[in-house]
Amino acid sequence: KAGVTQTPRYLIKTRGQQVTLSCSPISGHRSVSWYQQTPGQGLQFLFEYFSETQRNKGNFPGRFSGRQFSNSRSEMNVSTLELGDSALYLCASSLSPLSLAGRSFSNNEQFFGPGTRLTVL
Amino acid sequence: GQQVMQIPQYQHVQEGEDFTTYCNSSTTLSNIQWYKQRPGGHPVFLIQLVKSGEVKKQKRLTFQFGEAKKNSSLHITATQTTDVGTYFCAGPLSSGGSYIPTFGRGTSLIVHP
Repeated sequence: KAGVTQTPRYLIKTRGQQVTLSCSPISGHRSVSWYQQTPGQGLQFLFEYFSETQRNKGNFPGRFSGRQFSNSRSEMNVSTLELGDSALYLCASSLSPLSLAGRSFSNNEQFFGPGTRLTVL
Repeated sequence: GQQVMQIPQYQHVQEGEDFTTYCNSSTTLSNIQWYKQRPGGHPVFLIQLVKSGEVKKQKRLTFQFGEAKKNSSLHITATQTTDVGTYFCAGPLSSGGSYIPTFGRGTSLIVHP
């Protein structure tokens, strides 16, 4: 079974530009979550999509957005890039929606992709 | 606000020594997960604990979930150089009627041969 794939793997942008990152989950997984990882803030949750609907969102500004397609593939977009947006962006897929993790004891193991390293100059 | 805290931030050990990382949540968790991220890699799922007081073992790794379901630990016996990486705990913290996967800052394990 193929793992989670992310494209592109590396990206260099300048301040003010926008960027779109793509994530293809493991076949059969309908939940896709996005994370930002930086040395200063660690691994922070951006949002989760399940069945083409955003289920929950972390504490990030509206410049960060996403969507999910009917085949479960997901994209995230960052508009008006800032220097502080430089980070490793990881997506993760799972069988169960994480938004229900508090009530569900089902397996919501997350499978992470290799990430997209975004550098904003 | 609610958070998941993890200590220590770094741990240097000599190969063959034991290693433990601790995770504490500000609130009770329904479950907790542990991940390992090798340098330059991405987080890889290790285990999920669900029951109060649960203890699970994977070869040299022992995972515990506290009785109050607010803390957890990962213990590695006789570390090897292949254990190098950052170990993260993660739990679902409630937010606006839903649950947000919240990761600890991680413990970076450095093993000296």
